[in-house]
Amino acid sequence: EIVLAQSPATLSLSPGERATLSCRASQSVGSYLAWYQQKPGQAPRLLIYDASNRATGIPTRFSGSGSGTDFTLTISSLEPEDFAVYYCQHRANWPLTFGGGTTVEI
Amino acid sequence: EVQLLESGGGLLQPGESLRLSCAASGFTFSSYAMTWVRQAPGKGLEWVSTIIGSGAGTYYADSVRGRFTISRDNSKNTLYLQVNRLRAEDTAVYYCAKVLIGWWFDYWGQGTLVTVSS
Repeated sequence: EIVLAQSPATLSLSPGERATLSCRASQSVGSYLAWYQQKPGQAPRLLIYDASNRATGIPTRFSGSGSGTDFTLTISSLEPEDFAVYYCQHRANWPLTFGGGTTVEI
Repeated sequence: EVQLLESGGGLLQPGESLRLSCAASGFTFSSYAMTWVRQAPGKGLEWVSTIIGSGAGTYYADSVRGRFTISRDNSKNTLYLQVNRLRAEDTAVYYCAKVLIGWWFDYWGQGTLVTVSS
């Protein structure tokens, strides 16, 4: 099973600042990585898939990069609605797994 | 508009069984794989199971294989998860999600809560 380690666990920032979230895989997943956003009481929302492709309707301030074992989600300038928990997920093989999440807080 | 509506959750005792349902609309249901993901209270996301569009292929997390069965009825646009021999650690919100090509989850329901407690 591929383990995804997300860091930091919590990121404390202000609106307008840049957020950089990391996801490290225990073995190579190629470009087969996605990022999701989850707000309290809501279902997750797909942000990025295949490491760098924005999902439908996702603002351009969200970008993804990386390949192999190291991936980054960048939010270029935080909006108030971006404060949430972010998860990475791989699809390189079965079982699919998620990272433990990074909380972006004000 | 894609809509997914889960139902069937509740309070159960260890060892009991239940069936979760997910009613889908707004897309050609039979053309897409579907998945179940769960989230224990205050915890992260855990992939549970995926079924391909025809229903002929299924995949399970090790933690549920042999106890959970995913299925679908394409004539009713409905996804199911049969959950047997429930354990306390199965307590979670269970989400169904539509699978985008590439095993990504692009639309999610609001979830149904399953609580296992004696």
